[in-house]
Amino acid sequence: ETGVTQSPTHLIKTRGQQVTLRCSSQSGHNTVSWYQQALGQGPQFIFQYYREEENGRGNFPPRFSGLQFPNYSSELNVNALELDDSALYLCASSYKGQGEDTQYFGPGTRLTVL
Amino acid sequence: DQQVKQNSPSLSVQEGRISILNCDYTNSMFDYFLWYKKYPAEGPTFLISISSIKDKNEDGRFTVFLNKSAKHLSLHIVPSQPGDSAVYFCAASARRGNTPLVFGKGTRLSVIA
Repeated sequence: ETGVTQSPTHLIKTRGQQVTLRCSSQSGHNTVSWYQQALGQGPQFIFQYYREEENGRGNFPPRFSGLQFPNYSSELNVNALELDDSALYLCASSYKGQGEDTQYFGPGTRLTVL
Repeated sequence: DQQVKQNSPSLSVQEGRISILNCDYTNSMFDYFLWYKKYPAEGPTFLISISSIKDKNEDGRFTVFLNKSAKHLSLHIVPSQPGDSAVYFCAASARRGNTPLVFGKGTRLSVIA
């Protein structure tokens, strides 16, 4: 069974640029959630994708957008990068069915905005 | 307003003793609670969960206790091992996990040999 993978591992961008982060979900999972973890904080929910549709969104501006593909992999796009976007971006996959929905995380992408 | 609080930023425990990590929540809609462990430069690893219909769940050295009336849960690790040294996050969600996870800020556990 393959776990959740994310790419790239690290990324350095400058303010105003755009970035795309990628996530492959664990096999058998149909839902992907994205979280932002700032230094010294717990992860904060950005949004979730289920069956290629956005299925909930946290308190993040529209310049944070995403996609889910038919194979359940996902992308997070951030436009017009700001310094405060520097953080660890975590992807979590889960199976949304009738039971409890436990999310399993990937290793994260460390984004630095200069 | 923090809905999930871990009031101890750090905890040091001797190897072989019990580690107790605490978590409080304010949202009475939460009905599913999880603990994750995080090493530096890695993503959070799922440890153990508990549904609000239970007050205890065990998995090997890890036990989670839930006190719904106090809106409090705790993670017990017995016996603690040096490899348990990591940051532990408490997370909560509603509708049995089908709403986004809300995390606490984490507790850094150091197990001293």
